[in-house]
Amino acid sequence: NAGVTQTPKFQVLKTGQSMTLQCAQDMNHEYMSWYRQDPGMGLRLIHYSVGAGITDQGEVPNGYNVSRSTTEDFPLRLLSAAPSQTSVYFCASSPTGTGSDTQYFGPGTRLTVL
Amino acid sequence: DQQVKQNSPSLSVQEGRISILNCDYTNSMFDYFLWYKKYPAEGPTFLISISSIKDKNEDGRFTVFLNKSAKHLSLHIVPSQPGDSAVYFCAASDLNYKIIFGKGTRLHILP
Repeated sequence: NAGVTQTPKFQVLKTGQSMTLQCAQDMNHEYMSWYRQDPGMGLRLIHYSVGAGITDQGEVPNGYNVSRSTTEDFPLRLLSAAPSQTSVYFCASSPTGTGSDTQYFGPGTRLTVL
Repeated sequence: DQQVKQNSPSLSVQEGRISILNCDYTNSMFDYFLWYKKYPAEGPTFLISISSIKDKNEDGRFTVFLNKSAKHLSLHIVPSQPGDSAVYFCAASDLNYKIIFGKGTRLHILP
């Protein structure tokens, strides 16, 4: 059981480049989410999904796209990277997304945009 | 506008003593409150939670207290151990599947 995996671990982009952060879970969880962590800002919710084919916006969705074609995968796309998107990105999953569930986090992707 | 607030960026506590981490919230519709612990270069890990209909939940050395009238919760760690040194995040879930985190409190356990 690998839990929640994220690739890559580190990435450096130039302004305007696009890329996809990968997230996968093998726990058959319906709920998946993406957070970014910035110094002094805590974890902020970007997008979340309550099941395959269903996604919704979190607190800071601008500049990011998501899709959920399978239960296992929830990729995060940056269409045109900006320096303000330099951050550590965490993917998480839980069985249903309700507060009584435990959310399991991946190890994070550290992204730098120059 | 911050819905979950942790007003203390850091806290230092002597080993063996009690650590008390505080959290305030503004949204009365939150149904669960959670605490997560984070070590450097790792993802957060779940610690303990409490339903909005309860006022206390205990798990070993960790106890969370909820005061709904004050919109305040606290995490007590007794006794504090060196491995407790980490960043602690308070989080709250609403009825729309959003889980909102505070900015975190860095806890230092002093030998």
